[in-house]
Amino acid sequence: AQKVTQAQTEISVVEKEDVTLDCVYETRDTTYYLFWYKQPPSGELVFLIRRNSFDEQNEISGRYSWNFQKSTSSFNFTITASQVVDSAVYFCALREDSSYKLIFGSGTRLLVRP
Amino acid sequence: KAGVTQTPRYLIKTRGQQVTLSCSPISGHRSVSWYQQTPGQGLQFLFEYFSETQRNKGNFPGRFSGRQFSNSRSEMNVSTLELGDSALYLCASSLGAGLELNEQFFGPGTRLTVL
Repeated sequence: AQKVTQAQTEISVVEKEDVTLDCVYETRDTTYYLFWYKQPPSGELVFLIRRNSFDEQNEISGRYSWNFQKSTSSFNFTITASQVVDSAVYFCALREDSSYKLIFGSGTRLLVRP
Repeated sequence: KAGVTQTPRYLIKTRGQQVTLSCSPISGHRSVSWYQQTPGQGLQFLFEYFSETQRNKGNFPGRFSGRQFSNSRSEMNVSTLELGDSALYLCASSLGAGLELNEQFFGPGTRLTVL
């Protein structure tokens, strides 16, 4: 069965600290896609990144970076030099190759204090 | 390019009533998915439509239904509302042409409160 686990319910950091959000997934498919979304207080889910199961390259986009490790079924998200505007709930999601639906984790609420 | 739009943004209904929510996808997107977000259950998939056909359905009772029109706009309907249907309903659109291209872009949601 497919499942996404985000064990960290809430993280609080001081501005400029680095923070890593963990995501562990379960799937029987050999081809699948992993996503991160950000949900600010307004409620809209903002797409951050997609990673294909056959591409284990890590990715960096500005202050954001993602570490995908198939061996541990993890897809962790790091924000360097966090800012107050990064405060939001972050969701990791999985989509299997045979399906159009996203399976979401329970989310991690990040609070960046000034 | 305009994003996904959802109307109305807020709704208050009473138990037993029915409600219809609307979603207009990004221009050129042919797939529309619906999700329910509650504090207890998190984000759960309701259904997905492509070219007016339902391709996927989540584990929700038959009171939850949807449809898609020829212009890709979608509506979802909830009949005989229950208190537990109070939630943020999110719509997402994607190209839908192939699985690999299927980033889903979400709208702002409709917050439904059932009294």
